[in-house]
Formats: sequence, C-alpha cells, structure tokens
Amino acid sequence: NAGVTQTPKFQVLKTGQSMTLQCAQDMNHNSMYWYRQDPGMGLRLIYYSASEGTTDKGEVPNGYNVSRLNKREFSLRLESAAPSQTSVYFCASSYRDRGRIEGNQPQHFGDGTRLSIL
Amino acid sequence: KNQVEQSPQSLIILEGKNCTLQCNYTVSPFSNLRWYKQDTGRGPVSLTIMTFSENTKSNGRYTATLDADTKQSSLHITASQLSDSASYICVARYGNNRLAFGKGNQVVVIP
Repeated sequence: NAGVTQTPKFQVLKTGQSMTLQCAQDMNHNSMYWYRQDPGMGLRLIYYSASEGTTDKGEVPNGYNVSRLNKREFSLRLESAAPSQTSVYFCASSYRDRGRIEGNQPQHFGDGTRLSIL
Repeated sequence: KNQVEQSPQSLIILEGKNCTLQCNYTVSPFSNLRWYKQDTGRGPVSLTIMTFSENTKSNGRYTATLDADTKQSSLHITASQLSDSASYICVARYGNNRLAFGKGNQVVVIP
C-alpha cells in the first residue's frame, strides 16, 4: 500500500521553463491537495480538489494550475517557472464522507518534490 | 486573523528526557486541532487530533492537551528517543473546512 506517491522527488528548472508535478493516491480518497513548504513558514495551500471533477484555489494559487485527472491523480503545473516558486511541494489526500464535513479525517501526505528554479 | 503560533521554534533535548511543545490558535469558529510529525525529507504524518470536548489524548509516548477556553494546545513527549527528532506541526481546523498551519516546532534529540 503506497499511500500518496509524488514524482519527481527532485527537479531543477531554469526561469521560464514549465513542468508538471505528479501525484497519485491509492487510498480511494475523495479529496486531494497541493501545498508548498518554505523555510520559516507553515504549509500553504495552493489548490485543492474536494472530489473528482472539481478544483478550487487555495491561499497561494498564482502561477500554478491543477488537473484532477481521475479519482487517484492530481497534478500541479507551473507554466512559466519563477525563482519565487523554489520550494518543497507536498501533495495530500483525505477521505470525505458524503454528507459530512471531513473535519476529523487526517490528510495523508506524500514525501514531497524538491523544486529549485534558477 | 485566523492563525496558529507555535513555541519554541526549536529545541535540543537529551535522549530520555521529556519535553513540551506549545501551540496557540486564534481561529474561529474552531472545529478541531491536529498534531503532525514531519521527519526530515518526509511528508507530515498525523499523531493525534483534539476536538472541542477533549482535554487530553495519548498516542504512545505522545500526549496532547487542549484548553479551548484559552485556545492553547500542547504536545508532551515522554522519555524522548532519537527517532523523535523531527518537526511537529500544529494545525487548527475552522470555519468551512479551512486549515491554519503553524510553522512547526523543530526538535533535536541528542544521545
């Protein structure tokens, strides 16, 4: 049981290049999330998907796009990378019971993608 | 402003000793508070969750407390081990399923 798998684990880009970060979960979770983690700051939500077919902006969505490809996969795309997007990116998923707030369900995180933009 | 503040930012403790991490939150309306452990180079993993009606909860050598009146939570680590070296993140859930993340308490356990 792999949980949440992120690829790649490391990536170096030049300013202006584009790339897609991949995330897949095998826990049959409804909700999926993308966060960034920077030194001295807490995790910040970029985008989330409450269920297959829906996506919503989080706290810091500028410069990113997402795709909820199916229930298992949620990708994050940087169209034109900037040095300010150098960060560690985490994907997470959680179970959302129909008709109930998911409030007591934990988020399960992948091990992150370390992205450097020169 | 809906936010979470953790203290101390970092601490070093000797193996076998106890320590307590603090979390103050100002979110409203409060739903629950969760502690995560994040090992270096890994993603956060949930340790425990505290709801409004709970005062204390244990998970092995980890004990979390919650005081909803003062909006404070603590995480106590008993008889620390080298594997406890990690960042401990406090996360408060509030409103319509929103989360406020603390910056983490960095714990280093030395032999």
